[in-house]
Amino acid sequence: DAGITQSPRYKITETGRQVTLMCHQTWSHSYMFWYRQDLGHGLRLIYYSAAADITDKGEVPDGYVVSRSKTENFPLTLESATRSQTSVYFCASRWGPSSEQYFGPGTRLTVT
Amino acid sequence: GQQVMQIPQYQHVQEGEDFTTYCNSSTTLSNIQWYKQRPGGHPVFLIQLVKSGEVKKQKRLTFQFGEAKKNSSLHITATQTTDVGTYFCAGNHRGSTLGRLYFGRGTQLTVWP
Repeated sequence: DAGITQSPRYKITETGRQVTLMCHQTWSHSYMFWYRQDLGHGLRLIYYSAAADITDKGEVPDGYVVSRSKTENFPLTLESATRSQTSVYFCASRWGPSSEQYFGPGTRLTVT
Repeated sequence: GQQVMQIPQYQHVQEGEDFTTYCNSSTTLSNIQWYKQRPGGHPVFLIQLVKSGEVKKQKRLTFQFGEAKKNSSLHITATQTTDVGTYFCAGNHRGSTLGRLYFGRGTQLTVWP
């Protein structure tokens, strides 16, 4: 039972490159989320999704794109990476709108 | 906008001392959740409070939800080194759509042996 997985776990990329972070969950949870975590800022919501093909912006969506063609996958794309996007990215999912949230192990992204 | 404020940001205690972190919302919450993130790890769900004035305990941890459902606290009695980590509160706002959870910035707890 894999639960929620993220790939890659570590990524180094150069400024201007496109990067896609993958998130996969095996629970068929309706709701999925992408957060970034930086020192002093806690968890900041980038995008979230209530179901396949339903997505909405969070606090810090600029520079990111998401898609959700299948319930179990929620990839996050940095269209043109910038150094300010160096961060730890967490994907999360939950079954219902008020249920507990399960986090993936995170992806540590460094943009040089 | 809808916000969840959490204080303090950092707390350093000696092992055996108590610890409390507080959470306040600008609007009424339908429920509040607490998460713990160990250093280098990911946030892990601890508990959810739903009812006004609710108090729940998990061993040395006591969670409270305010009467107005706008504030909450987590109290740890007699901290241990295993309690080290960052504690986040997160609220579901009444009437919010798409299941968005509003996280506080977290309280980073350090415990000296």
